[in-house]
Amino acid sequence: SAVISQKPSRDICQRGTSLTIQCQVDSQVTMMFWYRQQPGQSLTLIATANQGSEATYESGFVIDKFPISRPNLTFSTLTVSNMSPEDSSIYLCSVAADSGNTIYFGEGSWLTVV
Amino acid sequence: GQQVMQIPQYQHVQEGEDFTTYCNSSTTLSNIQWYKQRPGGHPVFLIQLVKSGEVKKQKRLTFQFGEAKKNSSLHITATQTTDVGTYFCAGRPTGGTSYGKLTFGQGTILTVHP
Repeated sequence: SAVISQKPSRDICQRGTSLTIQCQVDSQVTMMFWYRQQPGQSLTLIATANQGSEATYESGFVIDKFPISRPNLTFSTLTVSNMSPEDSSIYLCSVAADSGNTIYFGEGSWLTVV
Repeated sequence: GQQVMQIPQYQHVQEGEDFTTYCNSSTTLSNIQWYKQRPGGHPVFLIQLVKSGEVKKQKRLTFQFGEAKKNSSLHITATQTTDVGTYFCAGRPTGGTSYGKLTFGQGTILTVHP
């Protein structure tokens, strides 16, 4: 199994500011992903965090808005830049473990932009 | 792109009644996964189905994967108040090695009245 820690768990942010979310895994994993869950909605994949190279972004998400770092196989960060109220969401880190047979999610970072 | 439709959006049942949620993909899936998200919580992995026509059981939960690997269902027998939450299916497209790159259904919100 994999234990994922995310920080912060919650934050209230002023519009126009940026916030960096950290994701720490207790074991080395190849695949790490960032998802967004807007209020009352399902989960949408933002990007795949690649170790040693630039993240791979899904349609509708760009690096300037959501820069991602992946310095090693246990850690990643997601920054939400120049926030607006529309960015109020839960941001979730996930990893694929057990040879990809199980996906684990962190507890999420609940962001409210005012 | 791939779409995963899930119905119903809401289901209210009396404790002891059965519950089923259905998932349909616009494309053939490599596998499908099911998650449960309690109110205020993060998605928790329940199970992964890989084989065509596969059926798996976890106590009162029965998961099925269609023969064409485009649809799936989750059935809960004799619901309990602890079953309350949102149930998501998530499909992994065929091909590629992005194990965590999932397309989520919209989720079914289950409420159970005691």
